[in-house]
Order: sequence, then structure tokens, then C-alpha cells
Amino acid sequence: EIVLTQSPATLSLSPGERATLSCRASQSVSSYLAWYQQKPGQAPRLLIYDASNRATGIPARFSGSGSGTDFTLTISSLEPEDFAVYYCQQRSNWPLTWTFGQGTKVEIK
Amino acid sequence: QVQLVQSGAEVKKPGSSVKVSCKASGGTFSSYAISWVRQAPGQGLEWMGGIIPIFGTANYAQKFQGRVTITADESTSTAYMELSSLRSEDTAVYYCAREGYYDSSGDSGYWFDPWGQGTLVTVSS
Repeated sequence: EIVLTQSPATLSLSPGERATLSCRASQSVSSYLAWYQQKPGQAPRLLIYDASNRATGIPARFSGSGSGTDFTLTISSLEPEDFAVYYCQQRSNWPLTWTFGQGTKVEIK
Repeated sequence: QVQLVQSGAEVKKPGSSVKVSCKASGGTFSSYAISWVRQAPGQGLEWMGGIIPIFGTANYAQKFQGRVTITADESTSTAYMELSSLRSEDTAVYYCAREGYYDSSGDSGYWFDPWGQGTLVTVSS
């Protein structure tokens, strides 16, 4: 089973700063990695799919990069509404399983 | 665009079962997998299993094998997740989510979008 490890666990930043979140896979997932944002009391929201494609309606300050085992989610300039928990996720086909990273909390410094 | 609407909160006794529904509206239901993901209080996201309604065969995470049953009713565009032998550790918000797909080809993708609003299941004596 592929394990996703996110770092750091918590990121303390101020509005306007750049956020860089990491997700490492225990084996290659090619470019099949997604990122989600979750705010308290809400369902996760898709931000990025296939490592670097923004989902519909996602602002351009969110970008994703990477392939193989190392991936990055970057928020170029934090807005107040960006403080949340972020998860990476991948799908394996044999056997069919979906796994998530443990999450990175972006909090206001 | 499809929307997923889940059934309401449940309170259950240890050892009992719970069945949560997820109704799709406004888009394609049968051709793409619906998965169930749970989130215990203060914890991360955990995939439980999924089903492609048009095929009707579910697959499950090993952790939940034998305790979870996922079904789908194409006639009502509704997916169900039933979890049995409940214990306190099953207290969580349960989400349904549909796998994404590529607009250009219709092939299924490697992400979840959209998600249901979540259903809180509380297991307590």
C-alpha cells in the first residue's frame, strides 16, 4: 500500500506570505496526485488534480508541482480564507485503494 | 454539475449498525465510482470503499472488510454505506465522494469531486 507523508504538520504564516506544502509518496504515483483544502465543519474541496491542474474555480495563487514521489502545493500569497488543513491523495489500481496524507494545517501566525 | 446530498446525523449504540445514504442530482451517477471516506474527530481522511453503480460491485479497504457494505440504486441515483458492529471508535463524519473524470475523454480520474456534505455518526451507549 502506498503511504503519503505530508510535511510540515503545521505551518504558521501571516497573510500575504508564501506557503509551501510537501507530500511524499512511498513509491511512485506518476502524476496522479490530488490536493484538497478542508475548513472546520466543511467537506474537503478539490484544489489540484493530476499534480498540477487547478480544479474549476480555484484561484491562480494555488499551484501544484511534482511527479513520481515528491509533490508540492504552493500558495503564492496567503489570503485570510486560505488558513485551513490541506490533504494530498492518490489512487492505486491494483488493488484499488485511495489513500490520503495526514494533512498539513496552515495557521495564522 | 452533480451534487451529492447525504442523510442526516445518527446516534447509535455499540454493536448496532448504521446505514447512510448519498443521493446524486444534476449529473452523471451510474458511470463513475462513489466512494465513502470517514473522518474521526480531529483526525484525517480515511477511505473506506467504493462502488461503480452501473457495475454494482463494491471494493473495500482492508481495514473495513467484513464490516462495511456499499450499495447503489441506479433508479434513485443513491449510494448507501452500511457499517455494522459499531464501536465508539467509529464515531466520525462520513462523506460520500464521486471520482472525477476527464472532460475530454470521459475517462475516470484519480481525484474526488464533488463531495457530499457529510453525515455525523455518533456511537455511544
